[in-house]
Amino acid sequence: GQNIDQPTEMTATEGAIVQINCTYQTSGFNGLFWYQQHAGEAPTFLSYNVLDGLEEKGRFSSFLSRSKGYSYLLLKELQMKDSASYLCAVRALNSGNTPLVFGKGTRLSVIA
Amino acid sequence: DADVTQTPRNRITKTGKRIMLECSQTKGHDRMYWYRQDPGLGLRLIYYSFDVKDINKGEISDGYSVSRQAQAKFSLSLESAIPNQTALYFCATSDSKTWGGRTQYFGPGTRLLVL
Repeated sequence: GQNIDQPTEMTATEGAIVQINCTYQTSGFNGLFWYQQHAGEAPTFLSYNVLDGLEEKGRFSSFLSRSKGYSYLLLKELQMKDSASYLCAVRALNSGNTPLVFGKGTRLSVIA
Repeated sequence: DADVTQTPRNRITKTGKRIMLECSQTKGHDRMYWYRQDPGLGLRLIYYSFDVKDINKGEISDGYSVSRQAQAKFSLSLESAIPNQTALYFCATSDSKTWGGRTQYFGPGTRLLVL
């Protein structure tokens, strides 16, 4: 079985930095994704980690530790438009035929 | 034009009715997926298809059926709709042939209300 945990809600201030954590327990591991989803809209791809370490993409970075079953998404210089849900998703090992399993998402509110 | 389209975007139907949600893509991807999203429950996989001849059940397939009419088209049917199928439905695609093909790309969603 697979289990993915992330906080339900977070609040942060415009211009600040926020870290959204994701822990997972899967039967093997073959990659972790982060998606952003604005209310009522489709999820959009943010990042993909398959090796340990930090992947940076502009204001967004994603970190993975496979030994700890842990990832985080770091958002810098927060803007009001970053208010959205952030979904962590994991692909298990040998899952060329197994799609992603999504966490329930973290709803981030950015306040002035 | 959008790469992944879903029709209709909104639908209201009555209990017991049969309805079909359609998904089309111009991305040339071989893999397609249907999810539903409910508040507090996240995205849950209903069915997925890795090519036209390959259909697989996801974690919540009961009450649903699918048809992969062509590589670019994947339809979801509710044979006899019930109120607890009220949800936001997403179609997604991915490409097995590219390194980044593990990434799934989502359509805009269909909001379904079953009365």
